[in-house]
Amino acid sequence: DQQVKQNSPSLSVQEGRISILNCDYTNSMFDYFLWYKKYPAEGPTFLISISSIKDKNEDGRFTVFLNKSAKHLSLHIVPSQPGDSAVYFCAASAAAGNKLTFGGGTRVLVKP
Amino acid sequence: EAGVAQSPRYKIIEKRQSVAFWCNPISGHATLYWYQQILGQGPKLLIQFQNNGVVDDSQLPKDRFSAERLKGVDSTLKIQPAKLEDSAVYLCASSRSGRPTTTGELFFGEGSRLTVL
Repeated sequence: DQQVKQNSPSLSVQEGRISILNCDYTNSMFDYFLWYKKYPAEGPTFLISISSIKDKNEDGRFTVFLNKSAKHLSLHIVPSQPGDSAVYFCAASAAAGNKLTFGGGTRVLVKP
Repeated sequence: EAGVAQSPRYKIIEKRQSVAFWCNPISGHATLYWYQQILGQGPKLLIQFQNNGVVDDSQLPKDRFSAERLKGVDSTLKIQPAKLEDSAVYLCASSRSGRPTTTGELFFGEGSRLTVL
């Protein structure tokens, strides 16, 4: 039972353009959502998060949008840079606990 | 500040053998997590410790997996006997508080890659 899904396993984008990563969830109890970035042979690192009381959170080139009615969130990277090439994981947690449920990840390749 | 340390980085074993992974969290972090990441999937929580007590081990296959965190610092994850499907990267993470999800304050180690032949 995958409660957090990232349906696009990979994404290729030209440097300077926008990268849009999507994530869907099924558990209506999730109230906090996070994005992690992972380079090869390294552990995931926190990128950006959003609470369910908001619909948008921005941090520099990274913006996360949340659509609670559709149970959908997306991560926008503008402009994309070659250093953004990595695997991005969407994760969610419910107020009742602090356990993170991760999606399967999307591999992003930014071409120079 | 030193990050989360894990060893070994790589391990290859035959099925039915045993293996142990070690984790040293960031100094002062009370909460320690072990995640299993199978190729092509996201990390899955195996066990969470708060100091040296277990908070959540609901997804730990207890017939073959065990974990301990003696003295509330280092932790060891053991698999005995290993199966082919245990091939994965085992990630250790730590956080200062028990609610890292609201701050993103969850720091991962580089992981231990296990291959079971």
